[in-house]
Amino acid sequence: SQQGEEDPQALSIQEGENATMNCSYKTSINNLQWYRQNSGRGLVHLILIRSNEREKHSGRLRVTLDTSKKSSSLLITASRAADTASYFCATDTGRRALTFGSGTRLQVQP
Amino acid sequence: EAGVAQSPRYKIIEKRQSVAFWCNPISGHATLYWYQQILGQGPKLLIQFQNNGVVDDSQLPKDRFSAERLKGVDSTLKIQPAKLEDSAVYLCASTSDRAGGYTFGSGTRLTVV
Repeated sequence: SQQGEEDPQALSIQEGENATMNCSYKTSINNLQWYRQNSGRGLVHLILIRSNEREKHSGRLRVTLDTSKKSSSLLITASRAADTASYFCATDTGRRALTFGSGTRLQVQP
Repeated sequence: EAGVAQSPRYKIIEKRQSVAFWCNPISGHATLYWYQQILGQGPKLLIQFQNNGVVDDSQLPKDRFSAERLKGVDSTLKIQPAKLEDSAVYLCASTSDRAGGYTFGSGTRLTVV
């Protein structure tokens, strides 16, 4: 079963704009991770946020976590055409391997 | 460090045939995972190994799928016989830290016709 569900399913923006993707999950977690997948490739780990953290930054990425609402968001600032990819959230409950959501397909128009 | 290696990159087979995928994780990574990703969906765990032991294979269709990790390093995933619905990308991942991020290979795209 899917633990995390991303919203929106697809997002199209212009280069330079910010992109925000949301993830909701169902059970308590140890951490939540975001991954990027370029077409036809494997997933690349972007950032991990632990359950006792509320916000984390990495370069142009900003992740927030609200455990009371069981939700997370990924913000990509000043997007570039190279950011075009699918983005997945994944939850670590500490009891089994990562469970991935269905992903958000981001298209950044040059 | 070298990444997770997978082969082949692509495979096309007829239904009822058998197929095998190979994965070489990052050196020293004790935990290895096989995920199945159907087009348009997120990856779904098939099996998790810790060294050469199976930790979780609850979502592995054991009537047709099998996997092994000999000597706690390389792993192979086999499907026999394949069905049309097995068409997917099969991703291998490894990690050294159970609570950390995973490193994924590029995957094997299987098409069953």
